[in-house]
Amino acid sequence: GENVEQHPSTLSVQEGDSAVIKCTYSDSASNYFPWYKQELGKRPQLIIDIRSNVGEKKDQRIAVTLNKTAKHFSLHITETQPEDSAVYFCAAPGLGGYQKVTFGTGTKLQVIP
Amino acid sequence: DSGVTQTPKHLITATGQRVTLRCSPRSGDLSVYWYQQSLDQGLQFLIQYYNGEERAKGNILERFSAQQFPDLHSELNLSSLELGDSALYFCASGTKANYGYTFGSGTRLTVV
Repeated sequence: GENVEQHPSTLSVQEGDSAVIKCTYSDSASNYFPWYKQELGKRPQLIIDIRSNVGEKKDQRIAVTLNKTAKHFSLHITETQPEDSAVYFCAAPGLGGYQKVTFGTGTKLQVIP
Repeated sequence: DSGVTQTPKHLITATGQRVTLRCSPRSGDLSVYWYQQSLDQGLQFLIQYYNGEERAKGNILERFSAQQFPDLHSELNLSSLELGDSALYFCASGTKANYGYTFGSGTRLTVV
């Protein structure tokens, strides 16, 4: 099965600075990598994803990069704002599309005004 | 509203009791996934159903069981409850794992 490691577990940044969260995965066949944001007491929500046929994807202030050779992918948030404060989870599915999605352990991001 | 409906939102029960959590997936989604999230913890995968059949199993205790019905809604049954079972239980639905999926708002279970 898939093994996903996520770092750091906590991250504090000043408002306006950038934040980077990294994940590594074990299954070289994994081909889809979503990121979820979970605000306190709420459900995780998909914020961005990347497929294995591209190396980078951007959506306004957030971007995800993928290095298939090294088997790691990263979430980049630029110009951070207080509303970016949340727990962020990376994930990777196993083969076949019907296997369980394995989540990273989460990164608690705090943006200090 | 994510389209995934979970009931009840909150549940308080005593140790040793049995509860049932319910999930209705988004229209068109065939897969239902159950996750447990303890306080300040990550998302622990419990079990997945696809179109009524069990497809994958995670770290689900023997005291827990689930099923998916012909109308695609799913129920998670938790029995002989212990204090440590207190957690947020999320249901998510999707069509294929590699297209991401959508979480419900969760059921907060408190065992006293």
